[in-house]
Amino acid sequence: AQKVTQAQTEISVVEKEDVTLDCVYETRDTTYYLFWYKQPPSGELVFLIRRNSFDEQNEISGRYSWNFQKSTSSFNFTITASQVVDSAVYFCALSLDTGRRALTFGSGTRLQVQP
Amino acid sequence: NAGVTQTPKFRILKIGQSMTLQCTQDMNHNYMYWYRQDPGMGLKLIYYSVGAGITDKGEVPNGYNVSRSTTEDFPLRLELAAPSQTSVYFCASRSEAGRAVNEQFFGPGTRLTVL
Repeated sequence: AQKVTQAQTEISVVEKEDVTLDCVYETRDTTYYLFWYKQPPSGELVFLIRRNSFDEQNEISGRYSWNFQKSTSSFNFTITASQVVDSAVYFCALSLDTGRRALTFGSGTRLQVQP
Repeated sequence: NAGVTQTPKFRILKIGQSMTLQCTQDMNHNYMYWYRQDPGMGLKLIYYSVGAGITDKGEVPNGYNVSRSTTEDFPLRLELAAPSQTSVYFCASRSEAGRAVNEQFFGPGTRLTVL
């Protein structure tokens, strides 16, 4: 069975600080996909990134960057120069390339960015 | 393209009542999913479908039923509502091709309270 662990329940930072959200996953499959979703206070789920298990290249998108390391089964998410609008709950998730292909979610990290 | 739509947005049920949560997608996706999100937790899979006429249980199916008579619609039925079913329910569909392959598209959610 798959498992996703987000050990940080809540993080509070001041605007313009950098912050890293940790994600550790477990799976025995060699082909899988990792995701990050943002859930703002309004409640919807906003897709941020998808990464497949064969692509360990780090990715940067504006102030967001992701570090995927298969050796440590981690897929961490960094926000540079955080802003108040980044305040949300962030979920890491994993899906396999076989079977139900459903998402297994971590429990989420609540990020509060103070002005 | 409306994506994934869910109705209703909010609902309050009394213990023992029944209701159907509606979910429709217009992207011609075969895979569809129902998840529930309890307070402070990640999403858990209730049921899923890999195409019209084919459904199967997820991690937490007790107290729910689904059907999939068309590609577009995937309703979730609650029979004999219980307080433990108080949650936010998300429907999703999965892309199998193109740039968004393996990405799941989520509806806006239905917030259900059982009193």
